[in-house]
Parts: sequence; C-alpha cells; structure tokens
Amino acid sequence: GQNIDQPTEMTATEGAIVQINCTYQTSGFNGLFWYQQHAGEAPTFLSYNVLDGLEEKGRFSSFLSRSKGYSYLLLKELQMKDSASYLCAVRTGGFKTIFGAGTRLFVKA
Amino acid sequence: GAVVSQHPSRVICKSGTSVKIECRSLDFQATTMFWYRQFPKQSLMLMATSNEGSKATYEQGVEKDKFLINHASLTLSTLTVTSAHPEDSSFYICSATTGQSDEQYFGPGTRLTVT
Repeated sequence: GQNIDQPTEMTATEGAIVQINCTYQTSGFNGLFWYQQHAGEAPTFLSYNVLDGLEEKGRFSSFLSRSKGYSYLLLKELQMKDSASYLCAVRTGGFKTIFGAGTRLFVKA
Repeated sequence: GAVVSQHPSRVICKSGTSVKIECRSLDFQATTMFWYRQFPKQSLMLMATSNEGSKATYEQGVEKDKFLINHASLTLSTLTVTSAHPEDSSFYICSATTGQSDEQYFGPGTRLTVT
C-alpha cells in the first residue's frame, strides 16, 4: 500500500528554525515534493527532491534519503506568514502523486 | 509560470442536482490533468487522472458514474458531480502537467457546498 506519514501539527516561534519530517512507503518512487497550503487555497510548490541530499532555496531547504524513505522540510527565520499546512507528496510513477495528510504549522510571536 | 484556473471558485447547489467544474491551463498545453478532493483539515485525495482524448483513470473507491471527467482538449478538463449529496461537499482541486517538467501546477480550487 501507499503510506506517507508526517506530524499533524507543530508550533514554533517567529525567527526560529523548524524541521518537518516525512516518512513514506510507496509502491514506486519518482520524486518527493513539498507544498505549502494556506487554509482555503490551493497548494503552492516549495521543493522537489529526486536524489539523496539537501536542496536549499532561500529560507526553505528539503532533504531526501531514499534508502530510509525519509524527507524533511527545514524552514529558517520563521515568519508569521509561514503559518500554513505543509504537504509532503510522493510521485509514485508517471505523474501520479500521493499526498500526506499535511502538517499544520503555527508560528507564534 | 504556468497558470491553471478553475471555475467556479465557489458553488452551492441543492441535493440531487449536478454541478460542473472546469479546469483550464491558461498558458500551456496540459497533457495530463488530475482531480483531487480535500476535506477540511485533511490532505488532497487523488480522485482521477485524465489524459486528453482518452478516458480518465479513477482511483479505487471513486465512483466513475458519479464523478464524470472529460478532458476534451489540451487546455480544458471538466469534473461533473452528478446527483450531488451533502457528503460531496468538499474542496475540489485540479492540477496539470506539461509532460516536460516534473512540476504539477495547481488550480485555485472550487468549494462545493451541497445543501
């Protein structure tokens, strides 16, 4: 079966660093995505990893270990506007993508 | 960047009626479009994958006769919720791919409320 696990909720302080973990067990693997979604809006693309290692893009970094079925999203210098849900998604084959339940991040002052 | 639109953004309909939702790729040709459903505080659940000119591939548990998908052109896919019931109330999101990059481009979503 397909299984993507990530924490349900996290809370962090403005200016801090937060790491959101994701573990997956899927029948195929063709890349892992992280999306940000604000309430009532569509997801927006944050990152894509297909090879092991760290991808850095501004305040956001994403890490992948295919052998461990593990990824994390790292957010630095947190801002209030970063309060949102963060979705881990795995492309299992072709363009079919399976989403995790999402992690709701609350950033407090 | 690639833009995907959805229409309508919000719709309220009565139980038993049908509702059509359009998904358009505005500045690119979408070889494949996906339809997702999202319940409150839950993640996106893939409903079906549609390729232009062919029948949609539905995920397990999704009723083909209830959720009709038509991908008539490279820029338009439609999802029709037939004989809607209150439990069909949800956020429906489409996405599209060009087939040339890894990214999926999401539409803004359609909030369906069935009364």
